[in-house]
Amino acid sequence: NAGVTQTPKFQVLKTGQSMTLQCAQDMNHEYMSWYRQDPGMGLRLIHYSVGAGITDQGEVPNGYNVSRSTTEDFPLRLLSAAPSQTSVYFCASRTSGRGYEQYFGPGTRLTVT
Amino acid sequence: AQSVTQLGSHVSVSEGALVLLRCNYSSSVPPYLFWYVQYPNQGLQLLLKYTSAATLVKGINGFEAEFKKSETSFHLTKPSAHMSDAAEYFCAVSGGGGADGLTFGKGTHLIIQP
Repeated sequence: NAGVTQTPKFQVLKTGQSMTLQCAQDMNHEYMSWYRQDPGMGLRLIHYSVGAGITDQGEVPNGYNVSRSTTEDFPLRLLSAAPSQTSVYFCASRTSGRGYEQYFGPGTRLTVT
Repeated sequence: AQSVTQLGSHVSVSEGALVLLRCNYSSSVPPYLFWYVQYPNQGLQLLLKYTSAATLVKGINGFEAEFKKSETSFHLTKPSAHMSDAAEYFCAVSGGGGADGLTFGKGTHLIIQP
């Protein structure tokens, strides 16, 4: 199993540009989520999905969109990039239900200039 | 709502010394608690988790943590630090952040002195 994969690993955007961060998992997990990691802030939840066709907002959703058309894929879209969105983004997946381990992807480092 | 507090953004210990990383939580429901480790430029890896079974939980790489309900704590320990333990450590509680997502602490950077 490849686990959770993310592309790209690095990205530089100009303010106002849009892009999609890709996330895929091959573990047949129902629950998938996106976090951003900023220095001294830990990880904060952006959006999550409990299954195909179902998404919801986390703690810091503004400026981001998600969709879940398949169990495997959970892309994160930046509609109009801002310097405040410079961060490291992690995708994660797990079996539904509390107490199950979340498996994290390797991350995408995004810089917005 | 859930929250996690990790005391000490940086902890420095000598190689061979005891490692103690502190985590306190608040939760409106019985908590499930996790410790993750992040090595430089990598994703997060699960060290151990508490899911209401034994209060003393053993994890990978010689780490363990004890759940103390009366103190709302879940501190991470390792008897003897190794240089390879240098990393960022995150405590997390399940149930916050929507549909049982994880709420993370801000992390503790563990430094190992030779």
